[in-house]
Amino acid sequence: GAVVSQHPSRVICKSGTSVKIECRSLDFQATTMFWYRQFPKQSLMLMATSNEGSKATYEQGVEKDKFLINHASLTLSTLTVTSAHPEDSSFYICSARDSAGLRTQYFGPGTRLLVL
Amino acid sequence: AQKITQTQPGMFVQEKEAVTLDCTYDTSDQSYGLFWYKQPSSGEMIFLIYQGSYDEQNATEGRYSLNFQKARKSANLVISASQLGDSAMYFCAMREARNQAGTALIFGKGTTLSVSS
Repeated sequence: GAVVSQHPSRVICKSGTSVKIECRSLDFQATTMFWYRQFPKQSLMLMATSNEGSKATYEQGVEKDKFLINHASLTLSTLTVTSAHPEDSSFYICSARDSAGLRTQYFGPGTRLLVL
Repeated sequence: AQKITQTQPGMFVQEKEAVTLDCTYDTSDQSYGLFWYKQPSSGEMIFLIYQGSYDEQNATEGRYSLNFQKARKSANLVISASQLGDSAMYFCAMREARNQAGTALIFGKGTTLSVSS
């Protein structure tokens, strides 16, 4: 079946540095990908919708200058956490849909970010 | 207003018993989709079952079935014959169909299921 990969799976960085997370759809084209953030024991919160070839749509309260999203191809979207701070430490998960499969939505394995 | 409500923070069940995880939703759309995902401690999101708003029959996938009551706007997940490996967080989610291609899933707060032997 369709697979979505994320890289890296885990990252530890110093406060003030930037971290890039990649999300790839491995065997299907995804015109739209979604980025979620999940704090421990909580639900997945939608951060932004990433559209291939256009600007991402951010949810209310999510700083677009801090969480840069680039969806340069039909199989790759990247999320860059700029000038990361400890409060950005979280589990980031991407998701993508095969346009032909309305009944499914595939999730990447997630990236655990720890900012020291 | 909360779109997806899961009122059970935690549920406990014994092996081989059935368990129902509750989910209610709120939408003004006529066309929408409802999903259940399992999230073990590893964090991966495992798709379990899908129910479309126009589907006449309740969805079933192996030991999972979805008790869809449209008038009550509920989509409860029933797990039959629970196994130890079912212990995980379970999320109910909805996608409204206004823009099928681009609409994200909105998740409930989740229910932690613990299965004991």
